[in-house]
Amino acid sequence: AQSVTQLDSHVSVSEGTPVLLRCNYSSSYSPSLFWYVQHPNKGLQLLLKYTSAATLVKGINGFEAEFKKSETSFHLTKPSAHMSDAAEYFCVVSELGSNDYKLSFGAGTTVTVRA
Amino acid sequence: DTAVSQTPKYLVTQMGNDKSIKCEQNLGHDTMYWYKQDSKKFLKIMFSYNNKELIINETVPNRFSPKSPDKAHLNLHINSLELGDSAVYFCASSPRGANYGYTFGSGTRLTVV
Repeated sequence: AQSVTQLDSHVSVSEGTPVLLRCNYSSSYSPSLFWYVQHPNKGLQLLLKYTSAATLVKGINGFEAEFKKSETSFHLTKPSAHMSDAAEYFCVVSELGSNDYKLSFGAGTTVTVRA
Repeated sequence: DTAVSQTPKYLVTQMGNDKSIKCEQNLGHDTMYWYKQDSKKFLKIMFSYNNKELIINETVPNRFSPKSPDKAHLNLHINSLELGDSAVYFCASSPRGANYGYTFGSGTRLTVV
Protein backbone atom coordinates (compact mmCIF):
# COMPACT_ATOMS: atom_id res chain seq x y z
CA ALA A 1 0.00 0.00 0.00
CA GLN A 2 1.08 3.55 -0.62
CA SER A 3 0.10 6.91 0.71
CA VAL A 4 1.28 10.46 0.48
CA THR A 5 1.49 13.07 3.24
CA GLN A 6 1.80 16.77 2.65
CA LEU A 7 3.43 18.19 5.72
CA ASP A 8 2.08 21.73 5.48
CA SER A 9 -1.56 22.59 4.98
CA HIS A 10 -0.72 26.24 4.33
CA VAL A 11 2.44 28.05 3.20
CA SER A 12 2.74 31.82 3.00
CA VAL A 13 5.67 33.47 1.21
CA SER A 14 6.62 36.92 -0.01
CA GLU A 15 6.85 37.55 -3.72
CA GLY A 16 10.38 36.90 -4.93
CA THR A 17 11.30 34.53 -2.10
CA PRO A 18 11.72 30.74 -2.37
CA VAL A 19 8.84 28.33 -2.04
CA LEU A 20 9.15 24.88 -0.43
CA LEU A 21 6.24 22.44 -0.31
CA ARG A 22 6.97 19.23 1.55
CA CYS A 23 5.70 15.79 0.63
CA ASN A 24 6.50 12.36 2.03
CA TYR A 25 5.32 9.07 0.63
CA SER A 26 5.17 5.55 1.88
CA SER A 27 5.71 2.79 -0.64
CA SER A 28 6.81 -0.80 -0.80
CA TYR A 29 8.31 -0.27 -4.23
CA SER A 30 9.61 2.57 -6.37
CA PRO A 31 6.65 4.84 -6.94
CA SER A 32 5.60 7.26 -9.63
CA LEU A 33 5.05 10.67 -8.05
CA PHE A 34 3.44 13.85 -9.31
CA TRP A 35 2.70 17.41 -8.29
CA TYR A 36 -0.50 19.04 -9.45
CA VAL A 37 -1.62 22.66 -9.05
CA GLN A 38 -5.18 23.94 -8.78
CA HIS A 39 -5.79 27.65 -9.13
CA PRO A 40 -8.98 29.04 -7.54
CA ASN A 41 -12.09 27.69 -9.22
CA LYS A 42 -10.02 25.95 -11.86
CA GLY A 43 -9.16 22.39 -12.78
CA LEU A 44 -5.98 20.49 -11.96
CA GLN A 45 -2.81 21.01 -13.94
CA LEU A 46 0.20 18.69 -13.93
CA LEU A 47 3.32 20.53 -12.73
CA LEU A 48 5.82 17.69 -12.97
CA LYS A 49 6.28 13.95 -12.52
CA TYR A 50 8.89 11.48 -11.33
CA THR A 51 8.94 8.05 -12.93
CA SER A 52 12.28 6.47 -11.91
CA ALA A 53 14.47 8.46 -14.27
CA ALA A 54 16.37 11.55 -13.06
CA THR A 55 15.77 12.23 -9.37
CA LEU A 56 15.65 16.00 -9.92
CA VAL A 57 12.60 16.75 -11.99
CA LYS A 58 11.93 20.09 -13.63
CA GLY A 59 8.38 21.17 -14.28
CA ILE A 60 6.45 24.08 -15.64
CA ASN A 61 6.54 27.66 -14.33
CA GLY A 62 9.97 27.28 -12.74
CA PHE A 63 9.02 24.52 -10.30
CA GLU A 64 11.17 21.50 -9.61
CA ALA A 65 11.08 18.54 -7.25
CA GLU A 66 13.68 16.11 -5.98
CA PHE A 67 12.98 12.45 -5.33
CA LYS A 68 14.91 11.24 -2.29
CA LYS A 69 14.43 7.54 -1.72
CA SER A 70 16.36 7.52 1.56
CA GLU A 71 14.03 10.16 2.98
CA THR A 72 10.90 8.97 1.11
CA SER A 73 10.36 12.57 0.10
CA PHE A 74 9.36 14.45 -3.03
CA HIS A 75 9.48 18.12 -2.04
CA LEU A 76 8.47 20.83 -4.50
CA THR A 77 10.50 24.03 -4.76
CA LYS A 78 10.65 27.25 -6.71
CA PRO A 79 13.47 29.77 -6.26
CA SER A 80 11.34 32.90 -6.57
CA ALA A 81 7.60 33.03 -5.94
CA HIS A 82 5.30 35.01 -8.19
CA MET A 83 1.85 36.29 -7.33
CA SER A 84 0.40 33.89 -9.89
CA ASP A 85 1.74 30.94 -7.86
CA ALA A 86 -1.01 31.43 -5.27
CA ALA A 87 -2.96 28.19 -5.55
CA GLU A 88 -3.57 24.75 -4.05
CA TYR A 89 -0.81 22.18 -4.61
CA PHE A 90 -1.27 18.44 -4.45
CA CYS A 91 1.39 15.78 -4.10
CA VAL A 92 0.19 12.59 -5.78
CA VAL A 93 1.34 8.98 -5.91
CA SER A 94 0.42 6.38 -8.49
CA GLU A 95 -0.92 3.46 -6.52
CA LEU A 96 -1.73 -0.09 -7.62
CA GLY A 97 -5.23 -0.96 -6.50
CA SER A 98 -7.02 -4.26 -6.83
CA ASN A 99 -7.36 -3.99 -10.59
CA ASP A 100 -5.36 -1.10 -11.91
CA TYR A 101 -3.24 1.93 -11.09
CA LYS A 102 -4.88 5.03 -9.68
CA LEU A 103 -3.63 8.40 -8.53
CA SER A 104 -3.96 9.00 -4.79
CA PHE A 105 -3.83 12.62 -3.69
CA GLY A 106 -2.35 14.24 -0.62
CA ALA A 107 -4.53 16.61 1.36
CA GLY A 108 -3.12 19.65 -0.42
CA THR A 109 -1.07 22.72 0.51
CA THR A 110 -2.53 26.18 0.09
CA VAL A 111 0.10 28.68 -1.08
CA THR A 112 -0.40 32.37 -0.39
CA VAL A 113 1.96 34.92 -1.94
CA ARG A 114 2.32 38.32 -0.26
CA ALA A 115 3.17 41.38 -2.31
CA ASP B 1 -9.51 21.81 -28.88
CA THR B 2 -10.21 21.12 -25.19
CA ALA B 3 -8.56 17.87 -24.13
CA VAL B 4 -11.01 16.77 -21.42
CA SER B 5 -14.32 18.57 -21.36
CA GLN B 6 -17.09 18.27 -18.79
CA THR B 7 -20.60 19.60 -18.88
CA PRO B 8 -22.18 21.31 -17.14
CA LYS B 9 -19.68 23.47 -15.28
CA TYR B 10 -22.21 24.32 -12.57
CA LEU B 11 -25.24 22.32 -11.44
CA VAL B 12 -27.68 23.41 -8.75
CA THR B 13 -30.49 21.01 -7.99
CA GLN B 14 -32.88 19.93 -5.26
CA MET B 15 -32.57 16.91 -3.02
CA GLY B 16 -34.10 13.80 -4.50
CA ASN B 17 -33.51 14.79 -8.12
CA ASP B 18 -31.56 12.74 -10.66
CA LYS B 19 -28.78 14.44 -12.63
CA SER B 20 -26.03 13.57 -15.07
CA ILE B 21 -22.58 14.98 -15.76
CA LYS B 22 -20.97 14.33 -19.12
CA CYS B 23 -17.29 13.95 -19.92
CA GLU B 24 -15.46 13.62 -23.20
CA GLN B 25 -11.76 13.37 -24.03
CA ASN B 26 -10.10 13.80 -27.42
CA LEU B 27 -6.64 12.61 -26.40
CA GLY B 28 -7.04 9.03 -27.53
CA HIS B 29 -6.50 7.80 -23.96
CA ASP B 30 -7.70 4.36 -22.97
CA THR B 31 -8.62 5.13 -19.38
CA MET B 32 -11.04 7.63 -17.87
CA TYR B 33 -11.82 8.50 -14.27
CA TRP B 34 -14.21 10.32 -11.99
CA TYR B 35 -12.87 12.06 -8.89
CA LYS B 36 -14.80 13.87 -6.17
CA GLN B 37 -13.35 16.93 -4.44
CA ASP B 38 -15.00 17.75 -1.12
CA SER B 39 -15.32 21.08 0.65
CA LYS B 40 -11.85 20.62 2.21
CA LYS B 41 -10.42 20.18 -1.30
CA PHE B 42 -9.61 16.51 -0.70
CA LEU B 43 -9.69 14.54 -3.96
CA LYS B 44 -10.79 10.93 -3.99
CA ILE B 45 -11.20 8.55 -6.90
CA MET B 46 -14.69 7.23 -7.53
CA PHE B 47 -14.45 5.17 -10.72
CA SER B 48 -12.15 4.32 -13.56
CA TYR B 49 -12.96 2.80 -16.93
CA ASN B 50 -10.56 1.29 -19.40
CA ASN B 51 -11.87 1.08 -22.94
CA LYS B 52 -15.49 1.04 -21.74
CA GLU B 53 -14.85 -1.55 -19.01
CA LEU B 54 -15.26 -0.69 -15.32
CA ILE B 55 -11.91 -1.17 -13.58
CA ILE B 56 -12.09 0.71 -10.29
CA ASN B 57 -15.18 1.25 -8.14
CA GLU B 58 -14.18 2.81 -4.86
CA THR B 59 -17.07 1.98 -2.55
CA VAL B 60 -19.29 4.67 -3.98
CA PRO B 61 -23.03 4.55 -3.17
CA ASN B 62 -24.94 2.77 -5.90
CA ARG B 63 -26.89 5.98 -6.49
CA PHE B 64 -23.84 6.88 -8.57
CA SER B 65 -23.73 5.05 -11.89
CA PRO B 66 -21.00 5.69 -14.44
CA LYS B 67 -21.60 4.88 -18.08
CA SER B 68 -19.04 4.68 -20.85
CA PRO B 69 -20.59 4.39 -24.31
CA ASP B 70 -17.13 4.44 -25.90
CA LYS B 71 -13.59 5.01 -24.70
CA ALA B 72 -13.80 8.76 -25.35
CA HIS B 73 -16.80 9.30 -23.07
CA LEU B 74 -17.49 8.65 -19.41
CA ASN B 75 -20.71 10.02 -17.98
CA LEU B 76 -21.78 10.08 -14.35
CA HIS B 77 -25.43 9.70 -13.40
CA ILE B 78 -26.55 10.37 -9.86
CA ASN B 79 -29.95 9.26 -8.55
CA SER B 80 -31.82 10.63 -5.55
CA LEU B 81 -29.36 13.42 -4.86
CA GLU B 82 -28.48 14.15 -1.24
CA LEU B 83 -27.03 17.23 0.43
CA GLY B 84 -23.76 15.36 0.99
CA ASP B 85 -23.32 14.92 -2.74
CA SER B 86 -22.49 18.61 -3.03
CA ALA B 87 -18.90 18.74 -4.27
CA VAL B 88 -16.78 19.38 -7.32
CA TYR B 89 -16.59 16.38 -9.63
CA PHE B 90 -13.58 16.03 -11.92
CA CYS B 91 -13.29 13.82 -14.94
CA ALA B 92 -9.81 12.77 -16.08
CA SER B 93 -8.15 10.57 -18.65
CA SER B 94 -4.77 8.92 -19.14
CA PRO B 95 -2.98 6.21 -21.04
CA ARG B 96 -3.06 3.00 -18.99
CA GLY B 97 -0.17 2.45 -16.57
CA ALA B 98 1.57 3.76 -13.48
CA ASN B 99 3.82 6.36 -15.05
CA TYR B 100 1.24 8.56 -16.63
CA GLY B 101 -0.28 11.56 -15.01
CA TYR B 102 -3.87 12.33 -15.72
CA THR B 103 -5.34 15.13 -17.78
CA PHE B 104 -8.22 16.62 -15.82
CA GLY B 105 -11.33 18.39 -16.94
CA SER B 106 -12.21 21.76 -15.43
CA GLY B 107 -14.70 20.25 -12.99
CA THR B 108 -18.44 20.35 -12.33
CA ARG B 109 -19.54 22.12 -9.18
CA LEU B 110 -22.65 20.31 -7.93
CA THR B 111 -24.76 22.02 -5.28
CA VAL B 112 -27.68 20.13 -3.80
CA VAL B 113 -30.21 22.31 -1.96
